Amino acid sequence: SQQGEEDPQALSIQEGENATMNCSYKTSINNLQWYRQNSGRGLVHLILIRSNEREKHSGRLRVTLDTSKKSSSLLITASRAADTASYFCATDAGAGSYQLTFGKGTKLSVIP
Amino acid sequence: EAQVTQNPRYLITVTGKKLTVTCSQNMNHEYMSWYRQDPGLGLRQIYYSMNVEVTDKGDVPEGYKVSRKEKRNFPLILESPSPNQTSLYFCASSLDRADEQFFGPGTRLTVL
Repeated sequence: SQQGEEDPQALSIQEGENATMNCSYKTSINNLQWYRQNSGRGLVHLILIRSNEREKHSGRLRVTLDTSKKSSSLLITASRAADTASYFCATDAGAGSYQLTFGKGTKLSVIP
Repeated sequence: EAQVTQNPRYLITVTGKKLTVTCSQNMNHEYMSWYRQDPGLGLRQIYYSMNVEVTDKGDVPEGYKVSRKEKRNFPLILESPSPNQTSLYFCASSLDRADEQFFGPGTRLTVL
């Protein structure tokens, strides 16, 4: 079953604008991760946020986690054409589970 | 260089002809997994392995087999491939299932 679901499915913005993607999940988690995939290539890890953290930054990336709403957001500031990719959230299913589940992704297009 | 390798990268085969996709990692990771990616469905976990000789089913294990005889290798076996197994397959590894996943470059499989 799909644990994480990203929203929107697709997003198109101008270079320099900020991009926000959301992820909702169903069960308690230990942590949540965000990945990027350039067309047809392997996924690349962006950031991991643990269930006891509320916000995390890495360069132009800002991730928030709201465990009460079972949701996370990924903000990319000052977007560049090179940020064009699909973005996925991934969650475990909490204590005792060894399974990692990815959502369907948000396809981001940054127009130069 | 730390990496996950998959072979072959591209494969066209016919229904019923057994095939194996190899996956190898050189990072001494405990956790390895296989995913398939299909348009509109995102990444779905096929099988995962917590350590040598320990494997378990993911969300879509039907039609696939795996083995983990050595820590570095985690081959995916399709005993009798069918057209609905046409997909893009990714192998990934990590220190632990809750950690950053390192992905291979992908294997594009077509079953005629």
